[in-house]
Amino acid sequence: AQSVTQLGSHVSVSEGALVLLRCNYSSSVPPYLFWYVQYPNQGLQLLLKYTTGATLVKGINGFEAEFKKSETSFHLTKPSAHMSDAAEYFCAVRDSGGSYIPTFGRGTSLIVHP
Amino acid sequence: DADVTQTPRNRITKTGKRIMLECSQTKGHDRMYWYRQDPGLGLRLIYYSFDVKDINKGEISDGYSVSRQAQAKFSLSLESAIPNQTALYFCATSDLVKTQYFGPGTRLLVL
Repeated sequence: AQSVTQLGSHVSVSEGALVLLRCNYSSSVPPYLFWYVQYPNQGLQLLLKYTTGATLVKGINGFEAEFKKSETSFHLTKPSAHMSDAAEYFCAVRDSGGSYIPTFGRGTSLIVHP
Repeated sequence: DADVTQTPRNRITKTGKRIMLECSQTKGHDRMYWYRQDPGLGLRLIYYSFDVKDINKGEISDGYSVSRQAQAKFSLSLESAIPNQTALYFCATSDLVKTQYFGPGTRLLVL
């Protein structure tokens, strides 16, 4: 079985500050890991993903995430928040084996203050 | 044009009514999914389909049914709508690496 925990339903930062959104997962086999972003009144779109290889993954809009197997984590970071980063962020995990169905976390709402 | 489209975008209906939400995709993917999103609960899978002849229940399929009319079309039906089915509904497709591509969503209100 696989599961995802996103710590914090809301994260508030000032513009220009570091963004850190936490995601921990459980998976019985090596996982594929994803971060999706949902802007207001839109569907989800892929920010970045880890499948195999380099554990530090870079995505769109300056975001990156690091797969840490020992900590079962895949935290999302951005060095400097921008007002346009305000959105809902979802972490997802999928087993690299036979299951093709991802499990999503409950989401973290990022609030960016001027 | 959007790769994954959903119609309608907004719908208000009454308890007991049958409604259908439609999804079309131009990405050529075999896999399609229906999710509902509720505040604080994230996305929950209703049904998924790996090809036209393959339909599978997700974690919350009760009260819903689906039809895969073609590779590009996957419809979700609420046979008899109830208020707790008020939610935001998303259709998605996925590619071989299992990245999912989402439609813009349908906001459903059941009175």
